[in-house]
Amino acid sequence: QVQLVESGGGVVQPGGSLRLSCAASGFTFSSYGMHWVRQAPGKGLEWVAFVSYDGRTKFYADSVMGRFTISRDNSRNTLYLQMNSLRAEDTAVYYCAKENYDLDYWGQGTLVTVSS
Amino acid sequence: QAGLTQPPSVSKGLRQTATLTCTGNSNNVGNQGAAWLQQHQGHPPKLLSYRKNNRPSGISERFSASRSGNTASLTITGLQPEDEADYYCSAWDSSLSAWVFGGGTRLTVL
Repeated sequence: QVQLVESGGGVVQPGGSLRLSCAASGFTFSSYGMHWVRQAPGKGLEWVAFVSYDGRTKFYADSVMGRFTISRDNSRNTLYLQMNSLRAEDTAVYYCAKENYDLDYWGQGTLVTVSS
Repeated sequence: QAGLTQPPSVSKGLRQTATLTCTGNSNNVGNQGAAWLQQHQGHPPKLLSYRKNNRPSGISERFSASRSGNTASLTITGLQPEDEADYYCSAWDSSLSAWVFGGGTRLTVL
Protein backbone atom coordinates (compact mmCIF):
# COMPACT_ATOMS: atom_id res chain seq x y z
CA GLN A 1 0.00 0.00 0.00
CA VAL A 2 1.08 3.59 -0.57
CA GLN A 3 3.00 5.08 2.33
CA LEU A 4 4.39 8.58 2.67
CA VAL A 5 6.36 9.38 5.80
CA GLU A 6 7.53 12.92 6.46
CA SER A 7 10.39 13.82 8.78
CA GLY A 8 12.66 16.73 9.59
CA GLY A 9 10.23 19.05 11.32
CA GLY A 10 11.05 20.86 14.53
CA VAL A 11 11.52 24.25 16.16
CA VAL A 12 13.67 26.79 14.34
CA GLN A 13 14.37 30.48 14.88
CA PRO A 14 13.19 33.11 12.41
CA GLY A 15 15.68 33.37 9.56
CA GLY A 16 16.78 29.79 10.06
CA SER A 17 16.70 26.78 7.75
CA LEU A 18 15.23 23.30 7.83
CA ARG A 19 15.08 20.39 5.38
CA LEU A 20 12.05 18.16 5.29
CA SER A 21 12.06 14.66 3.84
CA CYS A 22 9.27 12.41 2.66
CA ALA A 23 10.02 8.71 2.28
CA ALA A 24 7.75 7.00 -0.23
CA SER A 25 6.89 3.32 -0.59
CA GLY A 26 4.21 1.09 -2.07
CA PHE A 27 4.25 2.66 -5.53
CA THR A 28 6.68 3.51 -8.34
CA PHE A 29 7.92 6.81 -6.93
CA SER A 30 9.75 7.82 -10.10
CA SER A 31 6.51 7.78 -12.11
CA TYR A 32 4.57 10.41 -10.16
CA GLY A 33 4.70 14.11 -9.48
CA MET A 34 4.84 15.07 -5.81
CA HIS A 35 3.66 18.04 -3.78
CA TRP A 36 4.21 19.71 -0.44
CA VAL A 37 1.12 21.20 1.22
CA ARG A 38 1.04 22.90 4.60
CA GLN A 39 -1.57 23.66 7.22
CA ALA A 40 -1.04 26.35 9.84
CA PRO A 41 -2.54 25.59 13.28
CA GLY A 42 -6.33 25.83 13.09
CA LYS A 43 -6.22 26.95 9.45
CA GLY A 44 -6.90 25.49 6.04
CA LEU A 45 -4.66 23.80 3.49
CA GLU A 46 -2.09 25.82 1.57
CA TRP A 47 -0.26 24.41 -1.42
CA VAL A 48 3.51 24.97 -1.21
CA ALA A 49 5.32 23.33 -4.12
CA PHE A 50 5.26 20.69 -6.87
CA VAL A 51 7.96 18.66 -8.58
CA SER A 52 7.40 16.52 -11.66
CA TYR A 53 8.16 12.80 -11.77
CA ASP A 54 11.62 13.40 -13.21
CA GLY A 55 12.48 16.46 -11.14
CA ARG A 56 12.71 18.74 -14.16
CA THR A 57 9.58 20.82 -13.60
CA LYS A 58 8.93 22.70 -10.37
CA PHE A 59 6.27 25.15 -9.28
CA TYR A 60 6.06 27.18 -6.08
CA ALA A 61 3.50 29.22 -4.21
CA ASP A 62 4.24 32.93 -4.23
CA SER A 63 4.56 32.87 -0.43
CA VAL A 64 7.62 30.58 -0.54
CA MET A 65 9.17 31.47 -3.92
CA GLY A 66 12.88 32.14 -3.57
CA ARG A 67 13.03 30.73 -0.02
CA PHE A 68 11.95 27.09 -0.43
CA THR A 69 13.32 24.49 -2.84
CA ILE A 70 11.60 21.24 -3.70
CA SER A 71 13.64 18.31 -4.96
CA ARG A 72 13.56 14.54 -5.20
CA ASP A 73 15.90 11.59 -5.30
CA ASN A 74 14.24 8.81 -7.28
CA SER A 75 17.03 6.39 -6.38
CA ARG A 76 16.10 6.80 -2.71
CA ASN A 77 12.32 7.18 -3.23
CA THR A 78 12.50 10.41 -1.27
CA LEU A 79 11.06 13.89 -1.67
CA TYR A 80 12.65 16.94 -0.06
CA LEU A 81 11.77 20.49 0.87
CA GLN A 82 14.66 22.82 1.71
CA MET A 83 13.29 25.77 3.65
CA ASN A 84 15.46 28.86 4.14
CA SER A 85 14.82 32.31 5.62
CA LEU A 86 11.99 30.89 7.69
CA ARG A 87 9.34 33.23 9.08
CA ALA A 88 6.79 32.90 11.86
CA GLU A 89 4.06 32.53 9.24
CA ASP A 90 5.73 29.37 7.93
CA THR A 91 4.70 27.59 11.13
CA ALA A 92 2.53 24.68 10.02
CA VAL A 93 2.18 20.96 9.59
CA TYR A 94 3.83 20.10 6.29
CA TYR A 95 2.37 17.24 4.28
CA CYS A 96 3.82 15.53 1.25
CA ALA A 97 1.29 14.27 -1.26
CA LYS A 98 1.43 12.05 -4.33
CA GLU A 99 -0.19 13.28 -7.51
CA ASN A 100 -2.16 10.98 -9.77
CA TYR A 101 -4.02 13.70 -11.63
CA ASP A 102 -5.05 14.87 -8.17
CA LEU A 103 -3.41 14.61 -4.75
CA ASP A 104 -4.53 11.08 -4.02
CA TYR A 105 -2.30 10.05 -1.09
CA TRP A 106 -1.03 12.14 1.79
CA GLY A 107 1.49 11.55 4.53
CA GLN A 108 0.80 12.12 8.23
CA GLY A 109 2.68 15.41 8.20
CA THR A 110 5.57 16.93 10.14
CA LEU A 111 5.27 20.03 12.31
CA VAL A 112 7.50 23.02 11.69
CA THR A 113 7.48 25.76 14.32
CA VAL A 114 9.29 29.02 13.63
CA SER A 115 9.78 30.86 16.89
CA SER A 116 12.43 32.69 18.84
CA GLN B 1 -2.42 33.25 -4.92
CA ALA B 2 -6.21 33.52 -4.91
CA GLY B 3 -7.96 30.49 -3.53
CA LEU B 4 -11.32 28.87 -4.11
CA THR B 5 -14.39 29.98 -2.17
CA GLN B 6 -16.22 27.63 0.19
CA PRO B 7 -18.80 28.38 2.88
CA PRO B 8 -17.11 28.13 6.32
CA SER B 9 -19.73 25.84 7.81
CA VAL B 10 -22.73 23.66 7.01
CA SER B 11 -24.98 21.87 9.50
CA LYS B 12 -27.38 19.05 8.66
CA GLY B 13 -29.25 16.37 10.51
CA LEU B 14 -28.45 12.68 10.72
CA ARG B 15 -29.46 10.77 7.54
CA GLN B 16 -30.09 14.04 5.70
CA THR B 17 -28.29 15.24 2.56
CA ALA B 18 -25.62 17.95 2.55
CA THR B 19 -24.37 19.79 -0.52
CA LEU B 20 -21.08 21.66 -0.21
CA THR B 21 -20.05 24.21 -2.81
CA CYS B 22 -16.74 25.49 -4.16
CA THR B 23 -16.49 28.50 -6.45
CA GLY B 24 -13.49 29.36 -8.59
CA ASN B 25 -13.00 30.81 -12.04
CA SER B 26 -12.43 29.74 -15.63
CA ASN B 27 -8.73 29.12 -14.97
CA ASN B 28 -9.29 26.51 -12.28
CA VAL B 29 -12.69 24.98 -11.44
CA GLY B 30 -14.21 26.06 -14.75
CA ASN B 31 -11.29 24.53 -16.63
CA GLN B 32 -10.69 21.07 -15.15
CA GLY B 33 -13.08 20.86 -12.21
CA ALA B 34 -12.29 20.49 -8.52
CA ALA B 35 -11.20 17.59 -6.38
CA TRP B 36 -12.67 17.07 -2.91
CA LEU B 37 -10.84 16.12 0.25
CA GLN B 38 -12.08 15.16 3.71
CA GLN B 39 -10.07 15.88 6.84
CA HIS B 40 -10.93 14.71 10.31
CA GLN B 41 -9.42 16.56 13.24
CA GLY B 42 -5.80 15.54 13.77
CA HIS B 43 -5.58 13.50 10.58
CA PRO B 44 -4.24 14.17 7.08
CA PRO B 45 -6.62 14.94 4.22
CA LYS B 46 -8.18 12.07 2.29
CA LEU B 47 -9.20 12.28 -1.36
CA LEU B 48 -12.95 11.77 -1.83
CA SER B 49 -13.37 12.70 -5.48
CA TYR B 50 -11.11 13.44 -8.42
CA ARG B 51 -11.56 16.55 -10.58
CA LYS B 52 -13.25 14.29 -13.14
CA ASN B 53 -15.94 13.63 -10.49
CA ASN B 54 -15.03 9.99 -10.06
CA ARG B 55 -14.35 8.43 -6.66
CA PRO B 56 -11.13 6.69 -5.62
CA SER B 57 -11.41 3.05 -4.70
CA GLY B 58 -12.96 2.54 -1.27
CA ILE B 59 -14.88 5.81 -1.12
CA SER B 60 -18.58 5.40 -0.33
CA GLU B 61 -21.18 5.99 -3.02
CA ARG B 62 -22.80 8.42 -0.57
CA PHE B 63 -20.24 10.95 -1.78
CA SER B 64 -20.81 12.37 -5.25
CA ALA B 65 -19.31 15.36 -7.01
CA SER B 66 -20.48 17.54 -9.87
CA ARG B 67 -19.67 20.83 -11.55
CA SER B 68 -21.60 23.62 -13.20
CA GLY B 69 -19.50 26.32 -14.79
CA ASN B 70 -17.06 27.69 -12.22
CA THR B 71 -18.78 26.05 -9.24
CA ALA B 72 -18.12 22.52 -8.03
CA SER B 73 -20.35 20.68 -5.58
CA LEU B 74 -19.98 17.70 -3.25
CA THR B 75 -23.19 15.98 -2.21
CA ILE B 76 -23.21 13.66 0.79
CA THR B 77 -26.34 11.57 1.21
CA GLY B 78 -27.53 9.69 4.30
CA LEU B 79 -25.33 11.71 6.65
CA GLN B 80 -23.57 9.69 9.34
CA PRO B 81 -21.78 10.88 12.49
CA GLU B 82 -18.42 9.99 10.92
CA ASP B 83 -19.08 12.44 8.09
CA GLU B 84 -18.51 15.29 10.53
CA ALA B 85 -15.23 16.74 9.27
CA ASP B 86 -13.63 19.55 7.29
CA TYR B 87 -14.05 19.38 3.52
CA TYR B 88 -11.71 21.07 1.06
CA CYS B 89 -11.90 21.54 -2.67
CA SER B 90 -8.77 21.84 -4.77
CA ALA B 91 -7.90 22.59 -8.37
CA TRP B 92 -4.98 23.36 -10.65
CA ASP B 93 -4.96 26.98 -11.73
CA SER B 94 -3.58 27.19 -15.24
CA SER B 95 -3.01 30.95 -15.17
CA LEU B 96 -1.12 30.89 -11.84
CA SER B 97 0.66 27.58 -12.49
CA ALA B 98 -0.30 26.76 -8.95
CA TRP B 99 -2.52 24.37 -7.06
CA VAL B 100 -5.27 26.22 -5.18
CA PHE B 101 -7.45 25.13 -2.28
CA GLY B 102 -10.71 26.36 -0.88
CA GLY B 103 -10.76 27.65 2.68
CA GLY B 104 -12.64 24.54 3.78
CA THR B 105 -16.18 23.83 4.99
CA ARG B 106 -16.75 22.37 8.44
CA LEU B 107 -19.66 19.95 8.23
CA THR B 108 -21.59 19.37 11.43
CA VAL B 109 -23.97 16.41 11.63
CA LEU B 110 -26.69 17.18 14.15
